Amino acid sequence: RKEVEQDPGPFNVPEGATVAFNCTYSNSASQSFFWYRQDCRKEPKLLMSVYSSGNEDGRFTAQLNRASQYISLLIRDSKLSDSATYLCVVNWARQLTFGSGTQLTVLP
Amino acid sequence: GAGVSQSPSNKVTEKGKDVELRCDPISGHTALYWYRQRLGQGLEFLIYFQGNSAPDKSGLPSDRFSAERTGESVSTLTIQRTQQEDSAVYLCASSFDASGGEITDTQYFGPGTRLTVL
Repeated sequence: RKEVEQDPGPFNVPEGATVAFNCTYSNSASQSFFWYRQDCRKEPKLLMSVYSSGNEDGRFTAQLNRASQYISLLIRDSKLSDSATYLCVVNWARQLTFGSGTQLTVLP
Repeated sequence: GAGVSQSPSNKVTEKGKDVELRCDPISGHTALYWYRQRLGQGLEFLIYFQGNSAPDKSGLPSDRFSAERTGESVSTLTIQRTQQEDSAVYLCASSFDASGGEITDTQYFGPGTRLTVL
């Protein structure tokens, strides 16, 4: 079983749609959680940290459920520029473990 | 300021040769990480340096892989006797890692070195 599992997609959605990505992790001792974004043939960039209380940054909302070891990312009013691969990332003992990513394509 | 830089951007080598990849972290960043990303796959952690502490080498896949870092500056990742399975993008990241346990500071990634072993 992978340590961090994500639905690879691809998710193809029209502009303006709301899309949700899910992620599960296996290490219950994991300490912190992130969503990164990776554009094609580019390096990953931090999108947002994920907190137990849930957090929002503009059109993006992240949720963490420690009991279920589950992380989510919601994108509202999606834009063409949101097209990318979204990586779920979990930290334990200062080591980041990346999911394989979920590919999103926003269509005009 | 300048971001994380890596060189070379692309490296093509023959099976069995040694290669050396370089990473220049953001100035002042105490933590430096190396990752590997095979085509279509997620990132694999390789090694982590934090200040003058002993590096965390738990992700290195074999003894053909080694890395060094001089103080809080440049790091080199060396792969000896390269194999075709070593073909991947090798990414370096750095962060200002001031806290004791959690990674609370953003990791900034370099553009990567694309290694192709023929």
